[in-house]
Order: sequence, then C-alpha cells, then structure tokens
Amino acid sequence: QVQLQESGPGLVKPSETLSLTCTVSGGSISSYYWSWIRQPAGRGLEWIGRMYTSGSTNYNPSLKSRVTMSVDTSKNQFSLKLNSVTAADTAVYFCAREWSTYRFDPWGQGTLVTVSS
Amino acid sequence: QSALTQPASVSGSPGQSITISCTGTSSDVGSHNLVSWYQQHPGKAPKVMIYEVSKRPSGVSNRFSGSKSGNTASLTISGLQAEDEADYYCCSYAGSSTYVVFGGGTKLTVL
Repeated sequence: QVQLQESGPGLVKPSETLSLTCTVSGGSISSYYWSWIRQPAGRGLEWIGRMYTSGSTNYNPSLKSRVTMSVDTSKNQFSLKLNSVTAADTAVYFCAREWSTYRFDPWGQGTLVTVSS
Repeated sequence: QSALTQPASVSGSPGQSITISCTGTSSDVGSHNLVSWYQQHPGKAPKVMIYEVSKRPSGVSNRFSGSKSGNTASLTISGLQAEDEADYYCCSYAGSSTYVVFGGGTKLTVL
C-alpha cells in the first residue's frame, strides 16, 4: 500500500524559506495529484496546494504568492517551498495523495515546522 | 475563519447516533458532490471516512454515513463507540479558483 513520509527542517527563521519533501513508497508517484495540507497547533486543516506529476499546480489563493511545488518522479518525491515565512506559518505540515474527486488518501504522518529566530 | 462551518463540539453516549453538520455556500458544498469527511485522533494524521458526499472507502465501518442537502453536508455516526472519539473535518471542492476548503473541525466526545 502507498505510504507517504514528510521530511525537512523542523525550525525555520522568519523571512526565510520553508522546504519540505514528501517521499512516496509502495507505489508510483505518476498519474496522481499530490497535495500539501497544514495544521497549526490546536486548529483546523488548511489546504496549501497540489500538483500533478506532469508539473501542473494549483495553490490556495491566500498562499499562492509564496508557494512553489515541484516533483521528482525519479525519486518518487514531491516538494513544497514556502517563502517569506512568519510565525503564522508554524504548523504541522502533511502531504497526501489527492484523488480526482478531491479526497485525500493516504496522508503522511505530518512534520512540525516552527518558525522562530 | 474556516470556509466551511462546523459545530465546535458534539457528544453522545455509546450506542447512540450523532450527526455533524458542515455548512458552506452555493460555491462549494452546494455546487458539487465532492464533500469528504476526515477523522483525526490526537497526534495522528487525518483519515478519510466519507468521500463524494456519501461513499465509504474500503475498510471504513458502515456506522459512518454521509449526506447533503443544499449547502449543508452531514456526517452521521451510528452505534457510537469509544474509539470514535476524535476530531472530524469536512472538506469540499470550491471551484477552479479556490479549489479546496475545509471546515473548522468538530470534536466528538463519547460520554
């Protein structure tokens, strides 16, 4: 079965760029949408954006100016970059496979990213 | 403020049924049959319980069901069990500009 695992720095300084990678195992990354979703502590879920393995992307309008997603099919990985971060970007970041019917399944376990100097 | 409105909390006793509502607008819940529901236990990743309003993924108990009327979707859990205690989030497609919106989440307490 497909499994996802997020990786990246757990601490990022304000104004710098948050970079995370999601590694897909147990199946091919090709021909699916892959998404990033975040959750500040004690709060709800926020969709960040998604990308198809062709490279096409769609982003949350509220984050669009700061987000870049990319895919490396040779490594079965996809990545998230969020620039100019502030404390408001502190959250657990999840990666997930997004089906064409806008359901997210499965999810990675999540990784906490703290923005602090 | 979340795009979809859910009650902050609901509760029920073992064996009872509860319903969690998810209210959106004619641009999201009301326009598309693309509502999904997620269960999240503390410290864990969300798990899809319902998709396309009322479909259950393989392995999800048939005690979970979904429905929609107008701009409001609902998740019903029948025969409540202690293991159902968790946070529940609704999610909807919201058109080709916004794409995906989530509800603020509902904490289910099994008394």
